[in-house]
Amino acid sequence: EDKVVQSPLSLVVHEGDTVTLNCSYEVTNFRSLLWYKQEKKAPTFLFMLTSSGIEKKSGRLSSILDKKELSSILNITATQTGDSAIYLCAVNAQGGSEKLVFGKGTKLTVNP
Amino acid sequence: SAVISQKPSRDICQRGTSLTIQCQVDSQVTMMFWYRQQPGQSLTLIATANQGSEATYESGFVIDKFPISRPNLTFSTLTVSNMSPEDSSIYLCSVVSYEAQETQYFGPGTRLLVL
Repeated sequence: EDKVVQSPLSLVVHEGDTVTLNCSYEVTNFRSLLWYKQEKKAPTFLFMLTSSGIEKKSGRLSSILDKKELSSILNITATQTGDSAIYLCAVNAQGGSEKLVFGKGTKLTVNP
Repeated sequence: SAVISQKPSRDICQRGTSLTIQCQVDSQVTMMFWYRQQPGQSLTLIATANQGSEATYESGFVIDKFPISRPNLTFSTLTVSNMSPEDSSIYLCSVVSYEAQETQYFGPGTRLLVL
């Protein structure tokens, strides 16, 4: 059974801190790994990763995939209170069907 | 990316009733999906909405409980039938567009509370 595990499940930091969120997976027919930010209801897309070692970057957020270790990290530097959210990792694992398997998410709280 | 809307955004329903949730996209998309997110849990795929044919359901979800329609490339509905309090969840539609294959974008979600 395909599985995606995120750690930590929750994290509380102060503004300005740097955080690293982890995602590991055990899936067949890996195609891509996606990160989403969920603040209220709708997950908003952050990154899609398909190749190992190539960092994707958007402002203070960056992410990288390690296919050998079957894992990915999401880094957020100089955190702000607006970064408080649940960060979801998902893997496209069914080769052609586009179905996503989600982890449980990491709840990040950034305190002023 | 495609602009996705869902109606209703939230609802409170009595047990035993049914609710139909609509998902509308502003452009044609290749694939549409329906997910459920129960309180404190992550997203679970209910089914893939197939245009012009029956939806493809994931293990644990059946058509009688969650009938789905997709009459064209921009619109889909999910009905939650004969509701019980366990159906209280956020229901989300997602789409894959022709321009961004492999990336799923999510609608704003429908928060459902069943009393």
